[in-house]
This record gives sequence, C-alpha cells and structure tokens, in this order.
Amino acid sequence: DGGITQSPKYLFRKEGQNVTLSCEQNLNHDAMYWYRQDPGQGLRLIYYSQIVNDFQKGDIAEGYSVSREKKESFPLTVTSAQKNPTAFYLCASGSGQGASDTQYFGPGTRLTVL
Amino acid sequence: QKEVEQDPGPLSVPEGAIVSLNCTYSNSAFQYFMWYRQYSRKGPELLMYTYSSGNKEDGRFTAQVDKSSKYISLFIRDSQPSDSATYLCAMSAGRDDKIIFGKGTRLHILP
Repeated sequence: DGGITQSPKYLFRKEGQNVTLSCEQNLNHDAMYWYRQDPGQGLRLIYYSQIVNDFQKGDIAEGYSVSREKKESFPLTVTSAQKNPTAFYLCASGSGQGASDTQYFGPGTRLTVL
Repeated sequence: QKEVEQDPGPLSVPEGAIVSLNCTYSNSAFQYFMWYRQYSRKGPELLMYTYSSGNKEDGRFTAQVDKSSKYISLFIRDSQPSDSATYLCAMSAGRDDKIIFGKGTRLHILP
C-alpha cells in the first residue's frame, strides 16, 4: 500500500524542548517537502529536498532543521529556537525535479507547545 | 498584491448544486495549476492538475484556467455532502520554482 506516513499524529511539547516529526514515503519519490499550516494561512514551505543528502531552506526555515539520509525518510526537527511552533505540519513528496512538481501529502502532525 | 488570492469562505450550498471555487493570481509566469481538497485534520489530496490554459474534466470536477485574466476555477457538479472540505488552489511558474498555495476556501454542502 503506497503512500506517505507521518508520525505521531498529535505531539505535545514543553517550551524549550526539541522535537522530531517523522515522515516516510514508499512512493519512490526523489523530492520531499515540509510545510506548516496555520489557521487562516496557506501552506508555508519550511524545507525541501530533491535528492538524498541534499536539502534547501524554504520560506520559514528559521528554528527548524532536517536531514535526508535515506530516500524514503525526511524527518523535521522543531528546535527551541522556533518562536511559535504550535501548528499543523505536513510532509509531501513528488516524483519530478524541482519544487514545482506535483506533490502528494501525508496526513499531518499537529504539534502543540504547552 | 498577494501572489495568490482565494476567498476563505465558508461557502454553503445545497446538495446537488453546482459549486464554483476560484483563485486569482498576479504572477503571469505561472503555468502549472493545481487544486487540492483537504478534509478537517487531514493532509491535502490532489484533485486536479493542469498545465497552461484551458479546461480539464474528471468526473464531477472541472478545472478551468484563464491565463489572460489570471483566474482559475474549480467546478463541482451534483455536489454531495462528502464534498464538504477546504479546497486549496496552488500554482507555480516552472519545474524549478516552488509551489504557491492559496489559503483555501471552506465549502459546506448542505443535505
């Protein structure tokens, strides 16, 4: 059953803690993306990776970090430097080159900072 | 002027009606246009993907692009309560450019 999985579905974090959100895909896609979605706002690109061991900052990368050690996996770490981390985080993947490729989304992780 | 404008709604229509969802944009370089459907607390799913101008039909859904007016539309025929969701338009200029998303329109189909 092909697709994109994100875990956990809900995550609670205390202020000052780093947390890592998981994203895995078995679609054999080269490109993977992380977005943040806030109420009343569109999707905002955090980071993206077009190939293993390479990634680029998106529009709101400050306070976040990523790694791409395997084609299937693109974890996102929300660090304590992120001022307002409570949001819905979406991972996506695509088969082509470049960020304009059609993207397929995972189910999302809702992060709440207590 | 924002790159992509989309009325947030909510838009409420009776079951069986034709729904029209729209986005306007300012960047004349946009060539790739997408519509995503997002149910509450779920990730967006791709509904329609079009390149350049024209119409594309898939079942009850029709995507329309008018590049001269910088205007795209999604029509839903014979709307169903299961169509109730947020619809996001998205577009980009080319393969090496990022995708710009609209903020989404919340749609309610009333049984």
